[in-house]
Amino acid sequence: AQSVTQPDIHITVSEGASLELRCNYSYGATPYLFWYVQSPGQGLQLLLKYFSGDTLVQGIKGFEAEFKRSQSSFNLRKPSVHWSDAAEYFCAVGTSNAGKSTFGDGTTLTVKP
Amino acid sequence: EAGVTQSPTHLIKTRGQQATLRCSPISGHTSVYWYQQALGLGLQFLLWYDEGEERNRGNFPPRFSGRQFPNYSSELNVNALELEDSALYLCASSLRYRGGKNYEQYFGPGTRLTVT
Repeated sequence: AQSVTQPDIHITVSEGASLELRCNYSYGATPYLFWYVQSPGQGLQLLLKYFSGDTLVQGIKGFEAEFKRSQSSFNLRKPSVHWSDAAEYFCAVGTSNAGKSTFGDGTTLTVKP
Repeated sequence: EAGVTQSPTHLIKTRGQQATLRCSPISGHTSVYWYQQALGLGLQFLLWYDEGEERNRGNFPPRFSGRQFPNYSSELNVNALELEDSALYLCASSLRYRGGKNYEQYFGPGTRLTVT
């Protein structure tokens, strides 16, 4: 069975600083990997996805993530954080036959002015 | 293009009652997924429907059930409500499932169910 670990429950960064959110997954085959963002009381918005090919993927809102098979990681990065990026971020892994995605517990991002 | 829509936005029920939650997928999407997001428990997979059939089910009791209609919209029913069923219920949709391939899921805003 697949699993996702987001080691950081809460991260605080200053506006304009760089950001990296960690995600480690466990899955026997080639994973389908996703990052989502959720603002309070809202649904989840897809930031980016990795299915195959180039291990550095670009997403919306200036986010990118790098797939590292050797480390079973899919970390999310942004070079300069904006106050509007404050939200909860979820990493997820999907399978090729079960349809469902398995989500990590999320990382809450606070942005200091 | 309209996104995934869910109704109602909020639902308040008492213990023992039944709740019905509705979801309309993005046009062209035939797969619908239901997730429960309860406080402190993260996002838990509930059900997956594709082309009108239940394809997969999470670790939830049978009183959680649903169906998918010919227009691909979906309904989640929760019978004999318990206090711990209080949560945000999220619906997602994706393109038609093809064996061996996974598609990204697009989420609706959710239905907040409160059981008193």
